Amino acid sequence: NAGVMQNPRHLVRRRGQEARLRCSPMKGHSHVYWYRQLPEEGLKFMVYLQKENIIDESGMPKERFSAEFPKEGPSILRIQQVVRGDSAAYFCASSPPAALTSGNTIYFGEGSWLTVV
Amino acid sequence: AQRVTQPEKLLSVFKGAPVELKCNYSYSGSPELFWYVQYSRQRLQLLLRHISRESIKGFTADLNKGETSFHLKKPFAQEEDSAMYYCALLNNAGNMLTFGGGTRLMVKP
Repeated sequence: NAGVMQNPRHLVRRRGQEARLRCSPMKGHSHVYWYRQLPEEGLKFMVYLQKENIIDESGMPKERFSAEFPKEGPSILRIQQVVRGDSAAYFCASSPPAALTSGNTIYFGEGSWLTVV
Repeated sequence: AQRVTQPEKLLSVFKGAPVELKCNYSYSGSPELFWYVQYSRQRLQLLLRHISRESIKGFTADLNKGETSFHLKKPFAQEEDSAMYYCALLNNAGNMLTFGGGTRLMVKP
């Protein structure tokens, strides 16, 4: 099992461009979470998705940010018209269908570091 | 609303000294709490969860419902313990973790 795979690991974008971050969950996992880690700050929840469904996007900025998890393929976090403040590490995590309280846990990818210049 | 607070952003100790990383939570239900560790620019890894009552790499954490705390402790810190530590609380539905702001532990030789 390859674990949660994120790409690209590092991405540089100019202000105003679009950033697309991809996340392939662990095999058998149908739940995906995106977290953002700003420099020198902690981890902030952004969005929780299941296949073809956004469950909770309470942590997503209202503008420019969107996420999807299609039936086929990886989950995508899309940031349009990036600004310097978007520079951060974006972590994806996945978990199996059963609830975390049943002994399952959430597994993290290695993160994608976005730098906006 | 559930919330997790880690009051210290940075904790610096010498090798061999005891370590306590503080975590306080607010939650209306029965809490389920976790500690995650992130070594330099690597992925977060589960360190321990309170329901399993285990000790990993010498770390332990006890849930204190009266004080709403879940502090992480180790009697003798090692240099390889230097990392970012996150306390996390599981929501009612069992499908989302809320993280504290994290504490960076630096163990000096």
